[in-house]
Amino acid sequence: QKEVEQNSGPLSVPEGAIASLNCTYSDRGSQSFFWYRQYSGKSPELIMFIYSNGDKEDGRFTAQLNKASQYVSLLIRDSQPSDSATYLCAVNPAGNNRKLIWGLGTSLAVNP
Amino acid sequence: DGGITQSPKYLFRKEGQNVTLSCEQNLNHDAMYWYRQDPGQGLRLIYYSQIVNDFQKGDIAEGYSVSREKKESFPLTVTSAQKNPTAFYLCASSRPGGQWNGYTFGSGTRLTVV
Repeated sequence: QKEVEQNSGPLSVPEGAIASLNCTYSDRGSQSFFWYRQYSGKSPELIMFIYSNGDKEDGRFTAQLNKASQYVSLLIRDSQPSDSATYLCAVNPAGNNRKLIWGLGTSLAVNP
Repeated sequence: DGGITQSPKYLFRKEGQNVTLSCEQNLNHDAMYWYRQDPGQGLRLIYYSQIVNDFQKGDIAEGYSVSREKKESFPLTVTSAQKNPTAFYLCASSRPGGQWNGYTFGSGTRLTVV
């Protein structure tokens, strides 16, 4: 069974620090990887996605893929209290026809 | 602006009642999905549809039904056969072809059994 695993946290970092979130996946042929942010009581919103060909940086956010070890990470630089949320990792395995496999999420708390 | 609209935001269901959750999108997306989210259990796929007049069961389809008569609309009915329907329900859509950027979610419907 194809799986995506995340540490549930909570991950606690001080304001201004780098927050590092990780996600491991079981299907070696996975093609694309997504990070969603979900505030309490709200729906998930896409913040980053990468394909199997490389890493990506967007403002304070960097997504990195390690294919050999089958994990994807999200780095948040200069963390702000407004970054406090649950971060969901989702993976599109090969042949899954764009049906994402979801992790349970990591709760991040950024302390002022 | 394009987006996905879910209604109602809050819904209360009596025991033995069927209720229908609405999901409408104007993004011209072909694929639409319904998820259920419970605390500590992540997102679980109920049904999905990749084209009009066609849909497939997800991981937890029992007690639910859907229809896809129009590209823009993918309503979910929670039937009386669903024994534990209290949850946060999320509708999502995805564009066809090209470089894919995942799902766009609606704002969700919170269903409570009273």
